[in-house]
Amino acid sequence: QLQLQESGPGLVKASETLSLTCTVSGGSISSGSYYWGWIRQPPGKGLECIGSIYYSGNTYYNPSLKSRVTISVDTSKNQFSLKLSSVTAADTAVYYCARHRRVVAGTLNWFDPWGQGTLVTVSS
Amino acid sequence: QSALTQPGAVSGSPGQSITISCSGTSSDVGGYNYVSWYQQHPGKAPKLMIYDVSNRPSGISNRFSGSKSGNTASLTISGLQAEDEADYYCSSYTSSSTLPYVFGTGTKVTVL
Repeated sequence: QLQLQESGPGLVKASETLSLTCTVSGGSISSGSYYWGWIRQPPGKGLECIGSIYYSGNTYYNPSLKSRVTISVDTSKNQFSLKLSSVTAADTAVYYCARHRRVVAGTLNWFDPWGQGTLVTVSS
Repeated sequence: QSALTQPGAVSGSPGQSITISCSGTSSDVGGYNYVSWYQQHPGKAPKLMIYDVSNRPSGISNRFSGSKSGNTASLTISGLQAEDEADYYCSSYTSSSTLPYVFGTGTKVTVL
């Protein structure tokens, strides 16, 4: 079945760039029915959608993070990636990647399945 | 982008039924049938429990049901079990943001 796995450094220094990769196995990232998304969860807090990308490269970003976020896709490797620049302690969180159901153009629906998540801590 | 509003906590005894509300607007919950619910146990990734307001993915117990009335969606857990103790998040498509998806604030369910 489809599985997603996040990878990347667990510790990032303040003001630097957080970089994570999500590897998709058991299915193609080029499926027309899905976007591929990043979600984060600060310790003890709720879920925040960071953004999602289509295999063609079309992206949606959370307006509150848009100036610092870049999501890219590599269909040859069946991977997509997250870069978050100028990080601060507020960016410390568990970062999840997940498949994001696309209904019609511009309409996003549920996330499933999810990766196990990776904790990224921003240090000063 | 404003989060959907959920109660902070809901509790119930084993065997009882509980309902979690998810309040939005006509730009999200009220305007479209694209409401989903997720269950999250401590230290685990969220799990899709309900999609499209009231549909259950394969393998999800029929003790979980979803509905919607106006701008408020609801998740009902019947026959509450100890394993249902977790955090629950609603989510919805939204037409009012450049990111057309929003999560709820989350609800902690405690089984007494």
